[in-house]
Amino acid sequence: SQKIEQNSEALNIQEGKTATLTCNYTNYSPAYLQWYRQDPGRGPVFLLLIRENEKEKRKERLKVTFDTTLKQSLFHITASQPADSATYLCALVSGGYNKLIFGAGTRLAVHP
Amino acid sequence: DADVTQTPRNRITKTGKRIMLECSQTKGHDRMYWYRQDPGLGLRLIYYSFDVKDINKGEISDGYSVSRQAQAKFSLSLESAIPNQTALYFCATSDSVQGLGGANVLTFGAGSRLTVL
Repeated sequence: SQKIEQNSEALNIQEGKTATLTCNYTNYSPAYLQWYRQDPGRGPVFLLLIRENEKEKRKERLKVTFDTTLKQSLFHITASQPADSATYLCALVSGGYNKLIFGAGTRLAVHP
Repeated sequence: DADVTQTPRNRITKTGKRIMLECSQTKGHDRMYWYRQDPGLGLRLIYYSFDVKDINKGEISDGYSVSRQAQAKFSLSLESAIPNQTALYFCATSDSVQGLGGANVLTFGAGSRLTVL
């Protein structure tokens, strides 16, 4: 069966460290993968997109990697700040019409 | 004003009642979606519409119906609400022709929290 798995346990890190979140998938062959940020009580907000032919994508302190052999994407936040505390969702396209399927998300808590 | 507006933001209702959640957008996007979010399960697609005359079921459409009244409006109905439909519901939009080379990037509303007693 098709699955998208993100670590369900919260990730707690110290301010200034690099946070690394993982998204694994099975039985999909996505053309691209997206990452969203969700704050409590709010809708997800798009952060980054990486295509299957790209190994890495960067945006300011954010970096995403995409390994189609391992069927895994890693999401890094360098020099993390308490304001980065949120839940991060990965999403990939499935089937026709480019429908997006989401993982359950990983909650990140950055402590001062 | 928000690009994607959902009403109501919170609703408590009783089993068997009919509920409508409304979504309107000012993005000019042609695609609209309804997702529900439950703790530990993430976002699951209920229905989606790629234009006014196009409605498609998502992975969990049973017990729900939708109406695309205009390009900017997409409503979700629960004909007879049941407690396991208690969840956070999100409307989202996307553009079929957009700057990221056709990738389907979603813009979400703030969500509608529904509690069915």
